[in-house]
Amino acid sequence: GNSVTQMEGPVTLSEEAFLTINCTYTATGYPSLFWYVQYPGEGLQLLLKATKADDKGSNKGFEATYRKETTSFHLEKGSVQVSDSAVYFCALSDNAGGTSYGKLTFGQGTILTVHP
Amino acid sequence: GAGVSQTPSNKVTEKGKYVELRCDPISGHTALYWYRQSLGQGPEFLIYFQGTGAADDSGLPNDRFFAVRPEGSVSTLKIQRTERGDSAVYLCASSSNTGSSEAFFGQGTRLTVV
Repeated sequence: GNSVTQMEGPVTLSEEAFLTINCTYTATGYPSLFWYVQYPGEGLQLLLKATKADDKGSNKGFEATYRKETTSFHLEKGSVQVSDSAVYFCALSDNAGGTSYGKLTFGQGTILTVHP
Repeated sequence: GAGVSQTPSNKVTEKGKYVELRCDPISGHTALYWYRQSLGQGPEFLIYFQGTGAADDSGLPNDRFFAVRPEGSVSTLKIQRTERGDSAVYLCASSSNTGSSEAFFGQGTRLTVV
């Protein structure tokens, strides 16, 4: 079956530090890949996505590249801010049966805390 | 409404009781999903509706769990004979179609079984 593995957390950084959160996946076929973010007190929000190999998703200074050869989709940001403190989830959709982007397999989440 | 609305936001129930959790999707969204998120884990898929019908219920853990969407809009997740292991945050998401639309999540219902 499908699975997503995220790096062990939590991650604590100082403002303006470089961020990497690792994500690897196992899936049949050609899944779509996502990063979701959950800010304190809010629901899950889509941060970025990539639908095929070598695609780069980007949003709010965050980037992730779909690497089929390493089955990875690592999240990066060059300079984090305090407001980036949240829980980040890597996820995939195997695009099977027409359910596409709504039926997702999630990683366990990584808590990011950014200090001033 | 502006987003996916879930009620109640918190529910405490006694072991063995029956509970209903409600989801109001974004108006016009035909696809609706339920997920369960245990503490420290990512959400796990439970069931997917396309319109009124359950297109995929492969994630429902057992027959104590059931969900309906009778008019293709509001959905109710029903849990019978609750157990302490059912304690989790239950998330609902909706999207406008199954092909290429982003799924929008509600804030969830935190269920605690005591």
